[in-house]
Amino acid sequence: DADVTQTPRNRITKTGKRIMLECSQTKGHDRMYWYRQDPGLGLRLIYYSFDVKDINKGEISDGYSVSRQAQAKFSLSLESAIPNQTALYFCATSDHRTSRYSYNEQFFGPGTRLTVL
Amino acid sequence: SQQGEEDPQALSIQEGENATMNCSYKTSINNLQWYRQNSGRGLVHLILIRSNEREKHSGRLRVTLDTSKKSSSLLITASRAADTASYFCATDSLSGGYNKLIFGAGTRLAVHP
Repeated sequence: DADVTQTPRNRITKTGKRIMLECSQTKGHDRMYWYRQDPGLGLRLIYYSFDVKDINKGEISDGYSVSRQAQAKFSLSLESAIPNQTALYFCATSDHRTSRYSYNEQFFGPGTRLTVL
Repeated sequence: SQQGEEDPQALSIQEGENATMNCSYKTSINNLQWYRQNSGRGLVHLILIRSNEREKHSGRLRVTLDTSKKSSSLLITASRAADTASYFCATDSLSGGYNKLIFGAGTRLAVHP
């Protein structure tokens, strides 16, 4: 079974709709992340969470919100989707229980391809 | 702004040849990581090199780090068609008062049989 799962894997929606992307992990990691990938731009960080009560904005948080419902679950919401939010979205996790001040290996989910018409 | 920038943006080689990808960055780092992404899939961690290390090996992968030049290279030896993917460097560095892991735009590698 996959350690980091994302649902849905593909989603087509219309401008103005509210969308939620979900991420679950079975790795027991404390940190979770949401990234967006656009062609030729690499990954850009949307939000990240160090633990359930610690959520932080990333590089491109405008138009997005998140919820860390439990250590294993981190969801990303687009409150009112717009076409330029069409992208590939990735959730990732990492383990920092023994190394709080540096970034360790991140484990990525399979991605959600979101199209906003 | 991007911290890590890969070079070249795209690389096309024949099976059996070596592939070298470079990453340059701007600020001091704690570590630098390389990831691989098959088309449309999630990234997979390949190797992490810490700022006090100069070279690391993992199978056919060799990573070097030159902190004086703020650059790293990833060498894949004896490439295979299955190595076809995009490769990203990511730098763990202090930005805006706290640590961030910042990804570059990647190098697209095509290995032809």
